[in-house]
Amino acid sequence: AQTVTQSQPEMSVQEAETVTLSCTYDTSESDYYLFWYKQPPSRQMILVIRQEAYKQQNATENRFSVNFQKAAKSFSLKISDSQLGDAAMYFCAYRAPQGGSEKLVFGKGTKLTVNP
Amino acid sequence: EPEVTQTPSHQVTQMGQEVILRCVPISNHLYFYWYRQILGQKVEFLVSFYNNEISEKSEIFDDQFSVERPDGSNFTLKIRSTKLEDSAMYFCASSEGREGQPQHFGDGTRLSIL
Repeated sequence: AQTVTQSQPEMSVQEAETVTLSCTYDTSESDYYLFWYKQPPSRQMILVIRQEAYKQQNATENRFSVNFQKAAKSFSLKISDSQLGDAAMYFCAYRAPQGGSEKLVFGKGTKLTVNP
Repeated sequence: EPEVTQTPSHQVTQMGQEVILRCVPISNHLYFYWYRQILGQKVEFLVSFYNNEISEKSEIFDDQFSVERPDGSNFTLKIRSTKLEDSAMYFCASSEGREGQPQHFGDGTRLSIL
C-alpha cells in the first residue's frame, strides 16, 4: 500500500526567508501524481502545487516550488519569500496513476509558522 | 473562484443517532469524495462517487455509512448509527475528472459524538 511520510510535524520560518518542507512516499508504481495542499486555520484545504511523476521538470507556482526526486521517492516543497499568510498546515498527498485508485493518500502534515 | 461548500460547519450528535453531512461540489465536477480526519491523525479516504454510484470505498466505509447525490447539486454522507469513534473532521472534495486532476476540498464539518 502507498504511504506518505512528512517527518517534520512543525516548522517555522522568518518572514521573507525560504523554508523547505519534506515529504517522502512509498509506491511500486512508475507513474503517479503528487500534491501539496495548504490548510490555513479553520479553512479549507487549498491546492498549492501538483506534480506528475512522468515529468522530469519540477513544478513551480509563483513562490512555491518542489524538488521531486523520483528515485529517492522524495517530494519536498520550497516556499520562497515567506509571507505571514503562508502560515498553515501543509499536507503532502499521493494519487495513483490514471486508471488506478482515485483516492488521495495524505501525510500527517507539517504545521508552518511564519514569524514577523 | 468556485468552491466546495459543506454544511453544517459543526455537528454535535448523541451516540446511536443518524447524522447527514451535506456538500455542494463545484458545479462542473463529475467526481466526488469524502475524507475524514480524526484529531491528530492523517486525513483518510472514505469513498469516491461517480455517475451516481460508488466507484471506490475504504475499509472505514462500512455498512453504517452511505452516500447519495439526491439532486443535481448536493452530495451527502450519512452515518446511520453514530459511534464515539466517528468523531472527526469530515471533508468533501470534488474533481473534474480522473486523470490526476486535483481534488478541491470544502471547509469540512466537525462531527462530535457525545
